[in-house]
Amino acid sequence: DAEITQSPRHKITETGRQVTLACHQTWNHNNMFWYRQDLGHGLRLIHYSYGVHDTNKGEVSDGYSVSRSNTEDLPLTLESAASSQTSVYFCASSRAITDTQYFGPGTRLTVL
Amino acid sequence: QKEVEQDPGPLSVPEGAIVSLNCTYSNSAFQYFMWYRQYSRKGPELLMYTYSSGNKEDGRFTAQVDKSSKYISLFIRDSQPSDSATYLCAAGSARQLTFGSGTQLTVLP
Repeated sequence: DAEITQSPRHKITETGRQVTLACHQTWNHNNMFWYRQDLGHGLRLIHYSYGVHDTNKGEVSDGYSVSRSNTEDLPLTLESAASSQTSVYFCASSRAITDTQYFGPGTRLTVL
Repeated sequence: QKEVEQDPGPLSVPEGAIVSLNCTYSNSAFQYFMWYRQYSRKGPELLMYTYSSGNKEDGRFTAQVDKSSKYISLFIRDSQPSDSATYLCAAGSARQLTFGSGTQLTVLP
């Protein structure tokens, strides 16, 4: 069965370190998204991609970057982790922009 | 002001109750609307998808959209303890999907 996976599921890091969160989908979807979820804020869009080599900034992109070198993967990099980036991160994918987004299980990141 | 506002709850109801979850939105460009359900420590999963005003029913769940008042609702009939989760509304345009902050629902046996 097609799926979307995220790794690691839990990560503890220190302020200033570079961190990369992985997202892999086997749906063959063109569109992939990264969200963060914080209490009281719901899901906020960080970056998104509509295809290979395409990336776009979302609502809360500062301090994050993504690259899309193939259809299946969209890694999210925190260039220099900050305590404000402690959150739960979700990756999602969809076939078309207006289609259902399928979410991964999430990565719980703690920045000390 | 957020583009999609959702009653934060938490909401606690007895088993068998009818649950009403509500959101409002401000952007007239939103054309389609979704409800996602998220169990604790899991990713959100789609519950209902609708793109027109009116009601859409799926089993015990009914999604209602009123584009004239920019109001979206989810009704759960005969609620069950297994319905205990966070419910997220979302509104979409041609460019992206915007989520509400979620309502945490607990159905007590």
